Amino acid sequence: GQNIDQPTEMTATEGAIVQINCTYQTSGFNGLFWYQQHAGEAPTFLSYNVLDGLEEKGRFSSFLSRSKGYSYLLLKELQMKDSASYLCAVLDSNYQLIWGAGTKLIIKP
Amino acid sequence: IAGITQAPTSQILAAGRRMTLRCTQDMRHNAMYWYRQDLGLGLRLIHYSNTAGTTGKGEVPDGYSVSRANTDDFPLTLASAVPSQTSVYFCASSDSISGGNEQFFGPGTRLTVL
Repeated sequence: GQNIDQPTEMTATEGAIVQINCTYQTSGFNGLFWYQQHAGEAPTFLSYNVLDGLEEKGRFSSFLSRSKGYSYLLLKELQMKDSASYLCAVLDSNYQLIWGAGTKLIIKP
Repeated sequence: IAGITQAPTSQILAAGRRMTLRCTQDMRHNAMYWYRQDLGLGLRLIHYSNTAGTTGKGEVPDGYSVSRANTDDFPLTLASAVPSQTSVYFCASSDSISGGNEQFFGPGTRLTVL
């Protein structure tokens, strides 16, 4: 079966750094996405990785290791507005996105 | 219209009733998708369409049907609603299904079946 695992909830302090991990087992791999979803809203795109390594985009970075079936999203200089759920999703061999249940990130002042 | 719109925003429906959720995009995207999102679970794909005139089944298609008569519209129909279809439904679109094409999501429809 296909499986995406990520922690259910994490707490961090404003101004700090947090790393959200995602491990996956899927039938094929055509890339990994991270989305942000604020409560009651739609998911919005953060990043896409298809090759191993780190992709940096402002305060957010995403890392991929295909051999380990592992990715992480790194958020720096945390702001209160970063309080949201972060969704990891893998594009499988049928080009369908398989989604993790999401990690709820709580930012404390 | 800018992006993707969905209607209605929310709906309470009696079990056994027929319901169509509407989705329209103005980005001329080829691919469109319907997901449901339930607490504690990831988004699950119900149906998708790679291009106008074609549709396919996702992970949880039973009890749902779709059509794609043109590029912009992708309605989702529940023929006879059941309480287990209570969920938040998101429509999404992307330029194509392949590669790193991000999916853009509509605001969602919150459906309660009693």
